[in-house]
Amino acid sequence: DGGITQSPKYLFRKEGQNVTLSCEQNLNHDAMYWYRQDPGQGLRLIYYSQIVNDFQKGDIAEGYSVSREKKESFPLTVTSAQKNPTAFYLCASSMAPGTNIQYFGAGTRLSVL
Amino acid sequence: QKEVEQDPGPLSVPEGAIVSLNCTYSNSAFQYFMWYRQYSRKGPELLMYTYSSGNKEDGRFTAQVDKSSKYISLFIRDSQPSDSATYLCAMKTGNAGNMLTFGGGTRLMVKP
Repeated sequence: DGGITQSPKYLFRKEGQNVTLSCEQNLNHDAMYWYRQDPGQGLRLIYYSQIVNDFQKGDIAEGYSVSREKKESFPLTVTSAQKNPTAFYLCASSMAPGTNIQYFGAGTRLSVL
Repeated sequence: QKEVEQDPGPLSVPEGAIVSLNCTYSNSAFQYFMWYRQYSRKGPELLMYTYSSGNKEDGRFTAQVDKSSKYISLFIRDSQPSDSATYLCAMKTGNAGNMLTFGGGTRLMVKP
């Protein structure tokens, strides 16, 4: 089945700890995105990547980092600098950069211990 | 003021009702309009996609865009309990480098 796989489904972070959320896609899409979803706030863009080895900051990049070493993988690290990390994190991909239609993974729910 | 406004709900309707979900926006450059459905604790899935003004129908779903009023709607006919979800509108300008802008979502509950 083609799609986007996010893992883990649930993640807990201790204070001062960095955690990494995994996102893998087998759709052969060039562009990948990370969003944060908080209740009532919709989706806010954290980072996006249009091509391997290149990525751009979104609207709320502070406290997050990403890498894009392979076309199919776009992991997100939530660093200790992100003071309010509790949220639902969604990874998406699209066929080409800036393409209107994005496909989403099932999400990772991050909570702080 | 947010660029895209959406009533968070919840909107509760009986099974079989016609549902109207709406978004207003402020950026007149938006040209592409989408509706995503998101079930609880899942990722959004694309439901409808329209370009510019007009209507688009797909089964029980109709998407409507009124660019002059900066207002888009999603109508669901003969609503079913399985339609219970959060509905997110999203929109984009014609600039290929721009990203999607999402509304906050409306939570819909269809009661049997």
